[in-house]
Amino acid sequence: DAKTTQPPSMDCAEGRAANLPCNHSTISGNEYVYWYRQIHSQGPQYIIHGLKNNETNEMASLIITEDRKSSTLILPHATLRDTAVYYCIRRGAGSYQLTFGKGTKLSVIP
Amino acid sequence: DSGVTQTPKHLITATGQRVTLRCSPRSGDLSVYWYQQSLDQGLQFLIQYYNGEERAKGNILERFSAQQFPDLHSELNLSSLELGDSALYFCASSTTGGMNTEAFFGQGTRLTVV
Repeated sequence: DAKTTQPPSMDCAEGRAANLPCNHSTISGNEYVYWYRQIHSQGPQYIIHGLKNNETNEMASLIITEDRKSSTLILPHATLRDTAVYYCIRRGAGSYQLTFGKGTKLSVIP
Repeated sequence: DSGVTQTPKHLITATGQRVTLRCSPRSGDLSVYWYQQSLDQGLQFLIQYYNGEERAKGNILERFSAQQFPDLHSELNLSSLELGDSALYFCASSTTGGMNTEAFFGQGTRLTVV
């Protein structure tokens, strides 16, 4: 039970921002939101994580709503190499492992 | 390159056999995780070690075992192999394994049981 809900698939035009939503309506106060992606059958790649504040790194931005019930991963300028399955994961005390759900398959279209 | 090294990259073996998968974590990382990814099950957590001790266990079969050695590398042993054990096996490592520490994955070992 991954406890997050993501759309199964999304398309994004190359060069545009990709906004990937995640619902985690039952998240508790000490649970982090993590994002990973997996390109084809490669090892999952860490993207970003956050607790309550918005976060940005060289790969992406993470926007967490004030009530923390949902979040959005933003890839500012999607490229073809961003085509992958993106996983939104909750992680908190007593849950040392990352529990992967089905994720969102993002297709970047030329 | 995540810094996590898994060997071998590919392994083909027969049913009933035993294999050992190896993982070298990133330098300085104390925690190691093992995951299995088969076509119909997605990424499944198997087990986690921290500094040589088992920390968390997932849906790991009794035929499977793992350990983390003093030099922090880890091995996953799969025995009495069945066709259904064919999968990608990923290792990940993180500094402490706590909930605020990201884990980095290796490129996996593709196991084919024939």
